[in-house]
Amino acid sequence: QKEVEQNSGPLSVPEGAIASLNCTYSDRGSQSFFWYRQYSGKSPELIMFIYSNGDKEDGRFTAQLNKASQYVSLLIRDSQPSDSATYLCAVRRRNYGQNFVFGPGTRLSVLP
Amino acid sequence: EAGVTQFPSHSVIEKGQTVTLRCDPISGHDNLYWYRRVMGKEIKFLLHFVKESKQDESGMPNNRFLAERTGGTYSTLKVQPAELEDSGVYFCASSQIGENEQFFGPGTRLTVL
Repeated sequence: QKEVEQNSGPLSVPEGAIASLNCTYSDRGSQSFFWYRQYSGKSPELIMFIYSNGDKEDGRFTAQLNKASQYVSLLIRDSQPSDSATYLCAVRRRNYGQNFVFGPGTRLSVLP
Repeated sequence: EAGVTQFPSHSVIEKGQTVTLRCDPISGHDNLYWYRRVMGKEIKFLLHFVKESKQDESGMPNNRFLAERTGGTYSTLKVQPAELEDSGVYFCASSQIGENEQFFGPGTRLTVL
């Protein structure tokens, strides 16, 4: 079992719809969770991070964390074609220093 | 403010040769990380510097890889001798002490023939 799993996609949604990206992790000691967006050939850029169970909202983005289910998700409201990218889930584990464990990424395509 | 920069953007070498990748972190960022993504796989951690000291090198695959950060500014990652399985994209990231966000560079695409 991989430490961080994501559906590789592609996930296609129409413009204006809600895109839902999911991530599961295996280490119950994981402490913090990050969502990065990566356009093709570009560097990953942080969208948001979450530590506590529940929802965290930032503009059109909402991160949801459920530690009991070892599940974190990212919702993108009012999806735009410019949101088309690969979304990477990254996890920081307790007692493993500051580095991230990344999932394989989910490719999102927002259709005009 | 300039972001994390990496050089070169692409490198094509033959098996057995040596390659050195460079990373310039954001000014003032004491944390510097190296990651790599090999074809079809997820991004994997290689090592973490705090200033010039190696804080965690648990992800370094073998002794063909040598990372340095003399003076605590830029870092180099040398692969010697390169093998076919070293092909991939090598990312560098930096962050301030105590901050969670890691800022990534554009990566160096390494191809070993």
